[in-house]
Amino acid sequence: EAGVVQSPRYKIIEKKQPVAFWCNPISGHNTLYWYLQNLGQGPELLIRYENEEAVDDSQLPKDRFSAERLKGVDSTLKIQPAELGDSAVYLCASSLGTGRGPDTQYFGPGTRLTVL
Amino acid sequence: AQTVTQSQPEMSVQEAETVTLSCTYDTSESDYYLFWYKQPPSRQMILVIRQEAYKQQNATENRFSVNFQKAAKSFSLKISDSQLGDAAMYFCAYRSAQGAQKLVFGQGTRLTINP
Repeated sequence: EAGVVQSPRYKIIEKKQPVAFWCNPISGHNTLYWYLQNLGQGPELLIRYENEEAVDDSQLPKDRFSAERLKGVDSTLKIQPAELGDSAVYLCASSLGTGRGPDTQYFGPGTRLTVL
Repeated sequence: AQTVTQSQPEMSVQEAETVTLSCTYDTSESDYYLFWYKQPPSRQMILVIRQEAYKQQNATENRFSVNFQKAAKSFSLKISDSQLGDAAMYFCAYRSAQGAQKLVFGQGTRLTINP
C-alpha cells in the first residue's frame, strides 16, 4: 500500500514569491493534516480536513496561507507571498478519521522550503 | 490546552545497549492516546508505538516498549538492543480521544547510536 505522497521534496524561492505544496493521502483516509515543522522542533498543526471540509484551521495564517482539498482526496497548501520566516518543513499526514480508536496519523516525507 | 515535554534534547547509547527516552504531558482529559514517532534524516515521521490511556498494560513492539504512568502523566520509551538504524529524532505526541484531533508534539530527542 502506498504511503502519503508529497511533492516537491525541496523548494527554494525568493521572498515575496508564491509557492505551493501538494499532498496525496493514503487511499481511503478521510482526514488530512498539514503540519509545520521548524528546525529542531516538533510539528505543529496548520489545518485539518475531514473529507473536503476544513474543520480546524485556527493555526493557519490566513493572510498569506491557503489550502484546499478538492474531492476529498489530494490537497494543496499555498503561501503567497512567502516570507523569510516561512522557511521550514511542511508535513502532510492522513488518517482514517473514523473518530474511534487511536486513529493513527501517517506522515509523508515533507517538503523543505527555503525562502531567500 | 495540552502540552508535551521532552526534557532530553539529546541522548546517546552504545550499540546493543538499552536506552530510555522521557516524555511528560499535561492534560485534564481522562481519555487520550499517546504516540512515539521516529524521524530519521529523511524527515519522514514513522510511528514507533502507541498507547491508549484506558489500557493499564504497557504497549510493546519488538524492541520498543513504553512505561506509561497515567497518574504521573509520564510516557517513556525504552529501546532495547539498540541498533545503528535507531538513530533519529524521537517525538512524543498526545492526541485527545474526542474525535479526529491534532497531534500535540514534544520538542524531540535526538538519539545517537555509538558503534
